[in-house]
Amino acid sequence: GAVVSQHPSWVICKSGTSVKIECRSLDFQATTMFWYRQFPKQSLMLMATSNEGSKATYEQGVEKDKFLINHASLTLSTLTVTSAHPEDSSFYICSAREAPILYGYTFGSGTRLTVV
Amino acid sequence: QQQVKQSPQSLIVQKGGISIINCAYENTAFDYFPWYQQFPGKGPALLIAIRPDVSEKKEGRFTISFNKSAKQFSLHIMDSQPGDSATYFCAAIGAGSYQLTFGKGTKLSVIP
Repeated sequence: GAVVSQHPSWVICKSGTSVKIECRSLDFQATTMFWYRQFPKQSLMLMATSNEGSKATYEQGVEKDKFLINHASLTLSTLTVTSAHPEDSSFYICSAREAPILYGYTFGSGTRLTVV
Repeated sequence: QQQVKQSPQSLIVQKGGISIINCAYENTAFDYFPWYQQFPGKGPALLIAIRPDVSEKKEGRFTISFNKSAKQFSLHIMDSQPGDSATYFCAAIGAGSYQLTFGKGTKLSVIP
């Protein structure tokens, strides 16, 4: 089956630094990737949608200058949290859509970000 | 506006029992309804999904029941096992969008 690899699985960084999270589709081409944020005991909140080679579309309230998304190839998308602060600590999850399967979505295993 | 309402928020079931989680949606243009299972510290994994032209779909111990007129669908887990303890999310998609709309989740605990 389709596999999405997300790294790192957890990261601790100092306040003010930047962190990059990678999301790779291992055995399929992902035309669209999604980035979610999940707080403890809550549902997934969509942050942005990215299509390969295009600028990401951010959801309302998500700072695009803080959460930089790059989808440079059909198998790789990255989320960079810039100038991270403790309130950015959360669980970040990517998801990839495998075209041409209409609703073929596969989720990564998530990244636990802790900003100290 | 929450487009997919999920209940209950938490559920405790004895081993061997039936777990039932319910969802209701508002947008009649949704045309695909998946259920995801998420273990702590992991991403969600697709469990089972249904389209609105089918009233029921069964895969092993997991069954989705779908009521199009009532705009409701539910997940039934038969012979629940402690290994089923996880958070379950219903979702919906369609209406010309590729974005999944998630319910708020149900934390299932199966006790021996």
